[in-house]
Amino acid sequence: DGGITQSPKYLFRKEGQNVTLSCEQNLNHDAMYWYRQDPGQGLRLIYYSQIVNDFQKGDIAEGYSVSREKKESFPLTVTSAQKNPTAFYLCASQGLWGTEAFFGQGTRLTVV
Amino acid sequence: ILNVEQSPQSLHVQEGDSTNFTCSFPSSNFYALHWYRWETAKSPEALFVMTLNGDEKKKGRISATLNTKEGYSYLYIKGSQPEDSATYLCAPRDGSSNTGKLIFGQGTTLQVKP
Repeated sequence: DGGITQSPKYLFRKEGQNVTLSCEQNLNHDAMYWYRQDPGQGLRLIYYSQIVNDFQKGDIAEGYSVSREKKESFPLTVTSAQKNPTAFYLCASQGLWGTEAFFGQGTRLTVV
Repeated sequence: ILNVEQSPQSLHVQEGDSTNFTCSFPSSNFYALHWYRWETAKSPEALFVMTLNGDEKKKGRISATLNTKEGYSYLYIKGSQPEDSATYLCAPRDGSSNTGKLIFGQGTTLQVKP
């Protein structure tokens, strides 16, 4: 089955630690995105990538880092520099321009 | 930052009512407008991808229109059902470069009461 998979579903992190969220797709999509959702707010773009080995900052990239070494994978690292990391994180992928995006199930990150 | 506005923020309707929401976006460098439905505990799913001014798309009881010159899109739901309860997101994509990105509005949350 083709799709986009995020893991883990729930993640707990101690303050001061870095943590990496996984996002894998087997849809052969070029574009991949990371979004963050906070309670009562919409989806805000963290980073996106249109092609392997290239990515761009979104609107709220501070405290986050990404890599795109393979077309299928776009992991997001939440670093200790991110002041308020507790949130719901969604990964998405998209094929050719204008086509619909597909989303993972999301990862809920909680800082304890 | 691409300014995307959706209204209303939330809506409560009775089963059988028809309803509509608005998505406003900058009209310059427009490329495409996406609508997604996001049900609780699920992933967002695409409803429509619209590109042409005056475009109208329909999927069952849900339809959408697009005005690229004035920068808005309407989503209509005819005869709302409880299973229509969800957050509806719009996302314009600009055509200024080949690194266009999807920026979402805050969404309209619809609750349909039986």
